[in-house]
Amino acid sequence: TQLLEQSPQFLSIQEGENLTVYCNSSSVFSSLQWYRQEPGEGPVLLVTVVTGGEVKKLKRLTFQFGDARKDSSLHITAAQPGDTGLYLCAGEGGSEKLVFGKGTKLTVNP
Amino acid sequence: NAGVTQTPKFRILKIGQSMTLQCTQDMNHNYMYWYRQDPGMGLKLIYYSVGAGITDKGEVPNGYNVSRSTTEDFPLRLELAAPSQTSVYFCASSLQGIDSPLHFGNGTRLTVT
Repeated sequence: TQLLEQSPQFLSIQEGENLTVYCNSSSVFSSLQWYRQEPGEGPVLLVTVVTGGEVKKLKRLTFQFGDARKDSSLHITAAQPGDTGLYLCAGEGGSEKLVFGKGTKLTVNP
Repeated sequence: NAGVTQTPKFRILKIGQSMTLQCTQDMNHNYMYWYRQDPGMGLKLIYYSVGAGITDKGEVPNGYNVSRSTTEDFPLRLELAAPSQTSVYFCASSLQGIDSPLHFGNGTRLTVT
């Protein structure tokens, strides 16, 4: 079973700070997806990275896929309270199965 | 479009009781999934379906059953509830399997006491 390790597990920062969260594996993935989940709701897809070395930007969020396609990172610039949530990475676990990391729980304090 | 709708939102069961978690989607997606989310454990795949009439086991299928008689509906059945099944259950659908975004419902919070 392919595993995705996310770090840190918890992150609490002040509004305006920058942060990076990581998603690592010993396995190669054809693509990785990043989701954000707010309390009481289901995860919502933020981005899919497909090509090794790819960088995608979504406003203040920057996603990078490692050259070897084994890891990914999410960088948030000037975090805002609205960025608070659980950030999950996910990749193919074989045969139409998407496996998820345990997530990074981000709290941005005003 | 309503997207993926799950009912009920909350449920408390006694040990040994049974229930069905309902999931329906109006996006004409072929692929549907059931996940459970335990605190600090991420999402674990229970069962999935690639189309009407076809279902397959995920990582943690024991204690659960599913059926897929229509494209829209993918109910999850718990026959003999156990405390270990206390969790938040999410249903999801996608157009082209894992190569396309998963659309999640808002979950069912189940407590077994």
